[in-house]
This record gives sequence, C-alpha cells and structure tokens, in this order.
Amino acid sequence: AQTVTQSQPEMSVQEAETVTLSCTYDTSESNYYLFWYKQPPSRQMILVIRQEAYKQQNATENRFSVNFQKAAKSFSLKISDSQLGDTAMYFCASQETSGSRLTFGEGTQLTVNP
Amino acid sequence: NAGVMQNPRHLVRRRGQEARLRCSPMKGHSHVYWYRQLPEEGLKFMVYLQKENIIDESGMPKERFSAEFPKEGPSILRIQQVVRGDSAAYFCASSALRGGPYEQYFGPGTRLTVT
Repeated sequence: AQTVTQSQPEMSVQEAETVTLSCTYDTSESNYYLFWYKQPPSRQMILVIRQEAYKQQNATENRFSVNFQKAAKSFSLKISDSQLGDTAMYFCASQETSGSRLTFGEGTQLTVNP
Repeated sequence: NAGVMQNPRHLVRRRGQEARLRCSPMKGHSHVYWYRQLPEEGLKFMVYLQKENIIDESGMPKERFSAEFPKEGPSILRIQQVVRGDSAAYFCASSALRGGPYEQYFGPGTRLTVT
C-alpha cells in the first residue's frame, strides 16, 4: 500500500519569494508517478506538476519545480516568485502503475503574504 | 470543451435520507474515480469505475455506499441512510486511460451536509 506524508500543515511566504513544500512517500513498486495538486479556496483540485519515477530529471512547470529524490522517497515542490494567487492547500499524491487510484497526503496550507 | 461536471454542488440531507451525487466525465474519458474529503483532511480514494464495470471499490465503505457508471449517462455515487459522519466534499475525477501518467481531472466537488 502506498502512503504519502506531508509534515508541514501550514506555511507562509512573502510575495516574490521562494518556498519549498515537503513530501515523502512509500511504495513497493518500481514504477509510479508523483503529483502536486493545488486546492484554492474554490476547492477545485488543480494539477500543478507531475513526475514519472523512471525519469531522473526533475519536472518543471514555469515557477513550479520539484526536487525528486528517489532513494530517499522524497518529492518536494518549490514555488519561485510566489504570487498572491498561489495561496492554497497543496496536496502531494502518488499513483502506482499497477493501479489507478491516487493516494494523497494530508496537505500543506500555503499563504502568500503581500 | 467542458471539464468534469458534478451536480449538485451543494446537497443537504437529513439523517436517514438518501444522497445521490452525479458526475459527468470529460468528453472522451471512460474512467471515473470518486474521492471523499473530510473537513481538514486530504482526499481519500473510494471507488474506480469504467463504463458498466466497477474496477476497484476497496476504498468504499461496505455498507450504505454504492457507485455505478452506466453505459449511458453520468456516474452516480449513492449514499443510503446518511449519517452526520458522511458530511464531506465528494470529488469525482476522470481520465482517458488507466494508470499513470494520465492525469486525473477533477470536478468541482459536491459538498454534502447531513443535518
């Protein structure tokens, strides 16, 4: 069974600064996928970034990038040049290729301060 | 190109009543997933369906909960004899194919309140 742990319930950052959200996971499979989802106050779940475990290169999407450490089973999200619209709950999730369900962490509430 | 649709967005039921939540996947998607989000918690998997088939219901409570995805029409999550502990946000997601890296696209959720 997969488990995903986010150890930071809340974080805050000043506008335009950089923040890193932590995530660790556990899985018995060698092939799997990792995701970061964002849930703003509207509660809509929005995919931020994804990482295939077989790829060594860290994924990047504009201001969002990940630090994927496969041996340590760590998958952190870095947000550069933080914007007020980044204020949201961020969920780390894993997905094994043998199944299809997403397993989510408990989330990190990020607040970007002006 | 419409995304995943869920209705109703808000549903209030009294204890003992039935709740029916509907989900229409994105066009071209034949895989549907239901997740539940209790207050202050992350999303928890409930069930995975393809058209006319339940693929994985390991996250579904054994009693009172059922799900279907008929050949025609939306997927339905049905909760019978609701209790206060069923109050939560229920999210539906759809994908084009099974497994990764095909993203699951989420609907806006249905917030169920049991009074």
